[in-house]
Amino acid sequence: GAVVSQHPSWVICKSGTSVKIECRSLDFQATTMFWYRQFPKQSLMLMATSNEGSKATYEQGVEKDKFLINHASLTLSTLTVTSAHPEDSSFYICSARVGGGFGQYFGPGTRLTVL
Amino acid sequence: AQSVTQPDIHITVSEGASLELRCNYSYGATPYLFWYVQSPGQGLQLLLKYFSGDTLVQGIKGFEAEFKRSQSSFNLRKPSVHWSDAAEYFCAVGAQAAGNKLTFGGGTRVLVKP
Repeated sequence: GAVVSQHPSWVICKSGTSVKIECRSLDFQATTMFWYRQFPKQSLMLMATSNEGSKATYEQGVEKDKFLINHASLTLSTLTVTSAHPEDSSFYICSARVGGGFGQYFGPGTRLTVL
Repeated sequence: AQSVTQPDIHITVSEGASLELRCNYSYGATPYLFWYVQSPGQGLQLLLKYFSGDTLVQGIKGFEAEFKRSQSSFNLRKPSVHWSDAAEYFCAVGAQAAGNKLTFGGGTRVLVKP
């Protein structure tokens, strides 16, 4: 149980285009979803926290107009990287949580490469 | 604000040998500590966690970790490493004051020699 999927697992796009990444909790309803960014050989950096039906809360330094997060249902959150540029190339990971504790279930990640 | 330091970026260990991964944290209140493992193509998997009580915590896959408040450490150990343990390991601290968010260390990549 507690499986989180991400789609796509890998995407290449041209500079200036937008890319949408989906995060789904497959067998449970997630009250909260988190989006992380991981640079090569570095740690996970929290980008934003989203609760179903409400606006996402972004961490300091994360551009909310560039990284649009939608949490339309208890099983789906999307991250849209708008007008992507090469510096946005990274590994994006989502996680889902039930309730308000520390238990997060992580997706396998999406590798974004912007040419 | 909380922070986590994993001093070792890479560790190479022979199969069957013991493994210890270091983790130091900084947090002003009672720490909630975690170890995760990240394998290619898979999401981070929780190995173990410490909230309170016994400072020696047992986890999955034969891992254990010891919480030492005096040293602000939460080191991960395994007595005998298997080739399948090759992966990236992350230590994390959870902050109740920050909505139970997790702050991760930089990670330690473990390579297992046959």
